[in-house]
Amino acid sequence: EADIYQTPRYLVIGTGKKITLECSQTMGHDKMYWYQQDPGMELHLIHYSYGVNSTEKGDLSSESTVSRIRTEHFPLTLESARPSHTSQYLCASSEQGAGEKLFFGSGTQLSVL
Amino acid sequence: GENVEQHPSTLSVQEGDSAVIKCTYSDSASNYFPWYKQELGKRPQLIIDIRSNVGEKKDQRIAVTLNKTAKHFSLHITETQPEDSAVYFCAAMETSYDKVIFGPGTSLSVIP
Repeated sequence: EADIYQTPRYLVIGTGKKITLECSQTMGHDKMYWYQQDPGMELHLIHYSYGVNSTEKGDLSSESTVSRIRTEHFPLTLESARPSHTSQYLCASSEQGAGEKLFFGSGTQLSVL
Repeated sequence: GENVEQHPSTLSVQEGDSAVIKCTYSDSASNYFPWYKQELGKRPQLIIDIRSNVGEKKDQRIAVTLNKTAKHFSLHITETQPEDSAVYFCAAMETSYDKVIFGPGTSLSVIP
């Protein structure tokens, strides 16, 4: 079934560790996004991509990095996790074009101790 | 860049009453305005959207209005039901930049 998948669903990790949050979509979408969201709170855009080898920073400053080597895959990496990185991270994708619907993944809830 | 404000932050209504959520945006070049609903513990999902060449759009109990001159748009939910309880996010997009910027959200509670 075409969908957007995020793993892991929950992650608890110690300060200083390197982590990668995975996001894959099987819908053939060119555009992909990462949003950071605290529970029930605002969705902050931290990274987006128009397609392979395209990555841009969003409006919220983030210490994370992203890569887009394949159309379907858009991983987010934190080189050294800190407690301030504790949050939910939502990946999304949409078709290329003007004003297209965003499809969200189920999110990764990250807790950094 | 675009900035989206949303009011109220919380809203409680009796079942069967109407609910209205209002948003304003800053970038006059924005031309696409979606609304997302996020139930507790679930992913946001699009419920309705409107483009700048339309002033109003309706889908069953949900309607959205857009005033481009004033740069504000609103979500109207009629005959509310308990399953409408969720956080609602408005958003604005300037399509040449392809970035969807969300408002801070409104937590709607429908009391049975």
